[in-house]
Amino acid sequence: AQSVTQPDIHITVSEGASLELRCNYSYGATPYLFWYVQSPGQGLQLLLKYFSGDTLVQGIKGFEAEFKRSQSSFNLRKPSVHWSDAAEYFCAVGNSGGYQKVTFGIGTKLQVIP
Amino acid sequence: SQTIHQWPATLVQPVGSPLSLECTVEGTSNPNLYWYRQAAGRGLQLLFYSVGIGQISSEVPQNLSASRPQDRQFILSSKKLLLSDSGFYLCAWSSGRTTGELFFGEGSRLTVL
Repeated sequence: AQSVTQPDIHITVSEGASLELRCNYSYGATPYLFWYVQSPGQGLQLLLKYFSGDTLVQGIKGFEAEFKRSQSSFNLRKPSVHWSDAAEYFCAVGNSGGYQKVTFGIGTKLQVIP
Repeated sequence: SQTIHQWPATLVQPVGSPLSLECTVEGTSNPNLYWYRQAAGRGLQLLFYSVGIGQISSEVPQNLSASRPQDRQFILSSKKLLLSDSGFYLCAWSSGRTTGELFFGEGSRLTVL
């Protein structure tokens, strides 16, 4: 069965500092990987996704993520965090086809301090 | 463009009362539809999914049910709410032609007292 581990429940960074959110997955084949962001009381918005090809993917809001098959990881990065990046971030793994079974991690809540 | 609407946004219900949450998608046809529940510290749990009208699959046994009376309408229901049904419910859709991306509604906060 597919699964996702986000080992950090809370992370605090200073505005302007770099950010890396960790994600490890378990999947039997080549995974489809996603990062979503959720502001308080809102739905989830897709930041970026990986299906194949270049293992470094660029997303919205200046985020990027790198797929490392050998480590079963898909870590999210941003070189300089803005106060508006404070939110909860979810890593997810899924499959393609008529029904997309997407499994989410428990999320990492990001706090940005001045 | 495609949009997804979910309502009500907030609901406070007594234990034992019924529930109906509604989700509607616009701008696409024959979407895959999903109901997720989000609890603090537990991520998103898939409750139901549907690949077509009247086709509902349940991922976990629970006190809830889902229905899809129209192509772009997805309803989450309960006959008698339990305290444990409290949570943040998210509706989502995806296209069978894309590769796994989900589009989420704004969510419905249910508090059972």
